[in-house]
Amino acid sequence: SQQGEEDPQALSIQEGENATMNCSYKTSINNLQWYRQNSGRGLVHLILIRSNEREKHSGRLRVTLDTSKKSSSLLITASRAADTASYFCATASGDSWGKLQFGAGTQVVVTP
Amino acid sequence: NAGVMQNPRHLVRRRGQEARLRCSPMKGHSHVYWYRQLPEEGLKFMVYLQKENIIDESGMPKERFSAEFPKEGPSILRIQQVVRGDSAAYFCASSQQQGAGADTQYFGPGTRLTVL
Repeated sequence: SQQGEEDPQALSIQEGENATMNCSYKTSINNLQWYRQNSGRGLVHLILIRSNEREKHSGRLRVTLDTSKKSSSLLITASRAADTASYFCATASGDSWGKLQFGAGTQVVVTP
Repeated sequence: NAGVMQNPRHLVRRRGQEARLRCSPMKGHSHVYWYRQLPEEGLKFMVYLQKENIIDESGMPKERFSAEFPKEGPSILRIQQVVRGDSAAYFCASSQQQGAGADTQYFGPGTRLTVL
């Protein structure tokens, strides 16, 4: 079974709205990373949040981490059409920190 | 500073042939990771290598797949006697040796393998 699972599977919003997606995981982690993938392209690293951190910001992105609930959220504020992509969370765990475990992703469509 | 480079970007092979996928990590990175992505799915870890060493190959199929990261040159993922089920996008990532940011993995554009 996958370590990280994103929710929802798909999200459709209009430009200017906020987009929120969640990631749940099963085992304790060292860090959690969010990536974006445009259709047919490689992954772009967005944010890394460590297990002792609760919130991080990067531009229009805000990531939270709740280790007690084993969950993380990614918020994209004031979305743009260029934010249309799939978003994946990936976790790194203690004994295999080099091995990222990915969820199936959230497909976000932002319409003008 | 160039990012992670992968070639070829697209590779077509017939069943039974061999596929060789190459990955050059970012400058200053000595850790390389290979992942496979099937359509509409997330990435699945295959193998983690440092120069001349395999650190974790827990995601590699037991047969037909091998990976190396020689002292000189790119990392190679080799698939022998390909089958249709090997058709997927194969992504390489790299990270720094140590220090701040060492656990951030940066991904290449991927190689899309199609087996006819």
